Amino acid sequence: SAVISQKPSRDICQRGTSLTIQCQVDSQVTMMFWYRQQPGQSLTLIATANQGSEATYESGFVIDKFPISRPNLTFSTLTVSNMSPEDSSIYLCSVGRTGGNEQYFGPGTRLTVT
Amino acid sequence: GENVEQHPSTLSVQEGDSAVIKCTYSDSASNYFPWYKQELGKRPQLIIDIRSNVGEKKDQRIAVTLNKTAKHFSLHITETQPEDSAVYFCAAMGAGSYQLTFGKGTKLSVIP
Repeated sequence: SAVISQKPSRDICQRGTSLTIQCQVDSQVTMMFWYRQQPGQSLTLIATANQGSEATYESGFVIDKFPISRPNLTFSTLTVSNMSPEDSSIYLCSVGRTGGNEQYFGPGTRLTVT
Repeated sequence: GENVEQHPSTLSVQEGDSAVIKCTYSDSASNYFPWYKQELGKRPQLIIDIRSNVGEKKDQRIAVTLNKTAKHFSLHITETQPEDSAVYFCAAMGAGSYQLTFGKGTKLSVIP
């Protein structure tokens, strides 16, 4: 499976500010996804990061709040904008390849908003 | 959209006993069902998966079974060990979507 890294691994941010999280893969992948995992909870899909086009957002998530970029097949960013304490979560990217269903997760970014 | 229910939410077993976690899904078109293990502070790790054209799959001490008619699938862990203690998540993927819907998770504790 691919080696997936995320930056930063954790951060503490003030409300009203924004944080950009990076996801880097060591090989080209077709699919990249962003998930949120609130403390003690399951994983919720935020959006599918599409290379060369706008991300596809799930119900309850909007581009103004969670803008996503995917400039190539190995890299994506998720920005959490105008943060509030309710945005405190772990944010994870996952990757997969067309023709295969398997998805693998990055190590996650633990965000605390004060 | 897809809905995945997972039971139980917590499970304690004695070391060496078996553990079974069950999930049901709502979308009959779903065709891929992975299981993830998440240890405290770590990323979810894919441990086994099954596709809709298969009824059972086994990998050493873990196995997954799928009943398409009833729309449920289960994870079986035999000869449990303390290192099996973790939160386990089931998920379902719709045909052609590549998007996973997760269950709420099961916290498994293996008591030495």
